[in-house]
Amino acid sequence: GNSVTQMEGPVTLSEEAFLTINCTYTATGYPSLFWYVQYPGEGLQLLLKATKADDKGSNKGFEATYRKETTSFHLEKGSVQVSDSAVYFCASGRAGTALIFGKGTTLSVSS
Amino acid sequence: GAVVSQHPSWVICKSGTSVKIECRSLDFQATTMFWYRQFPKQSLMLMATSNEGSKATYEQGVEKDKFLINHASLTLSTLTVTSAHPEDSSFYICSAKSRDGELFFGEGSRLTVL
Repeated sequence: GNSVTQMEGPVTLSEEAFLTINCTYTATGYPSLFWYVQYPGEGLQLLLKATKADDKGSNKGFEATYRKETTSFHLEKGSVQVSDSAVYFCASGRAGTALIFGKGTTLSVSS
Repeated sequence: GAVVSQHPSWVICKSGTSVKIECRSLDFQATTMFWYRQFPKQSLMLMATSNEGSKATYEQGVEKDKFLINHASLTLSTLTVTSAHPEDSSFYICSAKSRDGELFFGEGSRLTVL
């Protein structure tokens, strides 16, 4: 069946460090791919998405590229901030349908 | 942006009682709402899909008689956990689909059953 696998956390970084959170997926066909962020005490918020191969989603300095050949959608940011501390979820799915989520990766950034 | 609100955000109840969680789309009409369950350090697991005016579709392994879902209007879906037990303690999250297919998530409701 379809699934999403993302790297286990927690990820602990210093401010201004480079961030990579790996995400791979298995699916029939070519789903859309998403990264959601959950800040402490808040609901999930869409961070970025990509709907087809080679698309790059970007937002707030975060980027992820839809790689069909490696079935991956790794999240990157060149310089993290303390305010980026949150739980990040990779997800896949068809537009408007229920999404399949990874287990989430907790990011902790210290100053 | 579009807002989805869940209520209550947290609830503590005694074993054997029933608890209702509401999910409202505040500024758009949601033809479909999804209910997820999240255990600590685990992924969100889809429980059921709720379409306005029709019966919910439950995922395999989810007891429909225990988790009653009602989607009475285009802005409200409710999840009722009947005869709750400690193993039902979890974080319940709803997601609403707007007419153009975008998904928006509620803040989640944490249920603790004593």
